[in-house]
Amino acid sequence: GEDVEQSLFLSVREGDSSVINCTYTDSSSTYLYWYKQEPGAGLQLLTYIFSNMDMKQDQRLTVLLNKKDKHLSLRIADTQTGDSAIYFCAERGGADGLTFGKGTHLIIQP
Amino acid sequence: NAGVTQTPKFRVLKTGQSMTLLCAQDMNHEYMYWYRQDPGMGLRLIHYSVGEGTTAKGEVPDGYNVSRLKKQNFLLGLESAAPSQTSVYFCASRGTGSGVYYGYTFGSGTRLTVV
Repeated sequence: GEDVEQSLFLSVREGDSSVINCTYTDSSSTYLYWYKQEPGAGLQLLTYIFSNMDMKQDQRLTVLLNKKDKHLSLRIADTQTGDSAIYFCAERGGADGLTFGKGTHLIIQP
Repeated sequence: NAGVTQTPKFRVLKTGQSMTLLCAQDMNHEYMYWYRQDPGMGLRLIHYSVGEGTTAKGEVPDGYNVSRLKKQNFLLGLESAAPSQTSVYFCASRGTGSGVYYGYTFGSGTRLTVV
């Protein structure tokens, strides 16, 4: 079955880059997503990448996709305290919705 | 620009009570989804619908029923609530079409506590 794996925690210093990694198993995934969730809030779409792309950049965010290894990463440059949140990786195969990882808690050290 | 609206936002139920969570979208999306989020578990799909009058089971459907009588509404029912159904419930919708990217739009969630 489909499975998406992420590390549970990542701690970085303010101003450094954060790299959150994700692996997935469904080779038929068409799109892969990164969502951000702040405490008590809903899901905010950060970015997505189509499966035929290797990289996508959007301001401080860089997504890298290694389709051969089924590995997805999200790099946040110049990490700020406002980036503290849970980050979810998700894959989309077909009509039956998204499969989410368990989320990575990003902790920012001053 | 309402997007996806979930009601209620919070609810406390006693074990054995029933309730219905409502999800409404105003984007004419074909696909709608119900997820539950539990600490350390991410989001798991309960049921989904690919169009008016159709529903299908997701990863964790037991104890829930759904209905999609109107395209814009997707209802999630708990017939006899159990403490294990204490969770945050998210609804989402998505459009369809070939050659065009259609993203998912999520509601703000319903926090349900069963005591």
